[in-house]
Amino acid sequence: DSGVTQTPKHLITATGQRVTLRCSPRSGDLSVYWYQQSLDQGLQFLIQYYNGEERAKGNILERFSAQQFPDLHSELNLSSLELGDSALYFCASSVDPGVRTDTQYFGPGTRLTVL
Amino acid sequence: AQKITQTQPGMFVQEKEAVTLDCTYDTSDPSYGLFWYKQPSSGEMIFLIYQGSYDQQNATEGRYSLNFQKARKSANLVISASQLGDSAMYFCAMREGEAGKSTFGDGTTLTVKP
Repeated sequence: DSGVTQTPKHLITATGQRVTLRCSPRSGDLSVYWYQQSLDQGLQFLIQYYNGEERAKGNILERFSAQQFPDLHSELNLSSLELGDSALYFCASSVDPGVRTDTQYFGPGTRLTVL
Repeated sequence: AQKITQTQPGMFVQEKEAVTLDCTYDTSDPSYGLFWYKQPSSGEMIFLIYQGSYDQQNATEGRYSLNFQKARKSANLVISASQLGDSAMYFCAMREGEAGKSTFGDGTTLTVKP
């Protein structure tokens, strides 16, 4: 158990819908990362937050948005869902990405299925 | 150009033998970190080992060691005394820049044969 929690574990929804994925980082970690893992695209970095502020952005679609709250938990919002958004979504956390030895620890993931 | 390249989509190894999983990387940042993660069939991503670009010695963690060759930009994972539970997908990743953005390779599927 990495100490990073993600809810829900599984999510099944229809095209055009909107969902919210939630992540709680490990105790003491200030940075949260979101990744998407699909069969054809591999593991893709979406976005990173540090202490409530957006720090880095990857291949995140405009239909997707995220935020990190004052208690450091994070939510990833996916809207106007398409079949291609079906994937495993990971949240990871780390203490401080400015520190060279900083390590990301991953949550168990949320498996999203869009029908 | 790919930042992280894992050239072996699949590997087989006999139980109790050692196996090397290849990883090459590309960066112009002098300060970076290299990581290996294991993803078993259950799906979770498990951190295995870290190597910093300034580290003089190769990293080791139990049965895992990292063969770091900076000039060749390679960071191969060596698993000694393979166990059946080592069967999984293994990802190499690099973190660079102040923001700590990470790039992952496409992974190598390791199958340990009894």
